Amino acid sequence: EAGVVQSPRYKIIEKKQPVAFWCNPISGHNTLYWYRQNLGQGPELLIRYENEEAVDDSQLPKDRFSAERLKGVDSTLKIQPAELGDSAVYLCASSLGGIRNTEAFFGQGTRLTVV
Amino acid sequence: AQSVTQLDSQVPVFEEAPVELRCNYSSSVSVYLFWYVQYPNQGLQLLLKYLSGSTLVKGINGFEAEFNKSQTSFHLRKPSVHISDTAEYFCAVSEGQGNLIFGKGTKLSVKP
Repeated sequence: EAGVVQSPRYKIIEKKQPVAFWCNPISGHNTLYWYRQNLGQGPELLIRYENEEAVDDSQLPKDRFSAERLKGVDSTLKIQPAELGDSAVYLCASSLGGIRNTEAFFGQGTRLTVV
Repeated sequence: AQSVTQLDSQVPVFEEAPVELRCNYSSSVSVYLFWYVQYPNQGLQLLLKYLSGSTLVKGINGFEAEFNKSQTSFHLRKPSVHISDTAEYFCAVSEGQGNLIFGKGTKLSVKP
């Protein structure tokens, strides 16, 4: 079974440029998460989807970040415009969902460097 | 609000020695607890989880953890480590709504 797939693995952009990350979750997983992991820190939740609905986006900086999950499968996270402080690893994860099924499976992440 | 504290940012240990990585959490309700491992330039892989039942949880690669409700701890242990266990380990808590709150991580360095 394929795991969570993210692309690209690495991205280097200049500040003020836009950037987008793509995530394909494990087939059948209703819940999808985007996390940001700063250097030397643990992952921090940006947004959680249940199917196509964003049920928790309280930590998403909405002035520059946006996300979508069309048809409740793949998801895209966008930053526009990027700032130097956005340099981090962006992790996508998915799970079956449900109150007791909280085991999340993570992709390899996208390492963003803003210069 | 939930929070997770990993008491050691780095733990050096010699090969075949035992190791304990400490994790404390705070929450006002019942929680689910997890340990994840992250190898360089990789995503996170689940080592083990506590949902309910026995407080001693066994995971992959010979790791185990014990849930202690009175001390709000979930320490990770391995009786004999290998070079290949060198990685960063993250403790995480969830109140069952799906959001995982992670600690800052502990870097385990196993030396020959």
